[in-house]
Amino acid sequence: AQKITQTQPGMFVQEKEAVTLDCTYDTSDPSYGLFWYKQPSSGEMIFLIYQGSYDQQNATEGRYSLNFQKARKSANLVISASQLGDSAMYFCAMREGTNNAGNMLTFGGGTRLMVKP
Amino acid sequence: DTEVTQTPKHLVMGMTNKKSLKCEQHMGHRAMYWYKQKAKKPPELMFVYSYEKLSINESVPSRFSPECPNSSLLNLHLHALQPEDSALYLCASSQESETLAGVDTQYFGPGTRLTVL
Repeated sequence: AQKITQTQPGMFVQEKEAVTLDCTYDTSDPSYGLFWYKQPSSGEMIFLIYQGSYDQQNATEGRYSLNFQKARKSANLVISASQLGDSAMYFCAMREGTNNAGNMLTFGGGTRLMVKP
Repeated sequence: DTEVTQTPKHLVMGMTNKKSLKCEQHMGHRAMYWYKQKAKKPPELMFVYSYEKLSINESVPSRFSPECPNSSLLNLHLHALQPEDSALYLCASSQESETLAGVDTQYFGPGTRLTVL
């Protein structure tokens, strides 16, 4: 079964508008971390934001915020005031906290975001 | 500073060549990773080094040989590759924190685009 699911293969957003990228996850481990990465066409994976399973508040980093709904197992990324430079592939990823998981990140299939001027 | 560097940026090699990819980080991280990424797919984990010892090998063919000379450097030696090995190879590093479950952000380098002819 897929551990991380991103249901939107591609999305368009108008410049200066907000956009939500969906991510749902599946784990039975009570301790886990959720990450969002941005990958422009140049290839580098850029870390955006992190949410821990025990965090009481939704994570925010500048224009990025994470809408964490633990009961629904969703961790959607919200980008406010979209900019042309936000056009990229976005990956949701999870690290489970048990020792057996080691250092492994499980990635979703990604969402390609295109910002229109 | 969250910089991971990789060289070369691009590499074209024949199936009989021997080449190496290099990765370096100066963040004091104790875990380093190699990923392979095909176009329009998420990264796939190849190897993990933890405290300079190989801790995870995701059943990678022996034509890929990792090496961790010290805690800042990670190499990937390539020999007798196949055209299907053409991909973006990403290096990452992380703190290897055990104190908070799930909190171990991986920071990625810009990648090496490998083409095997």
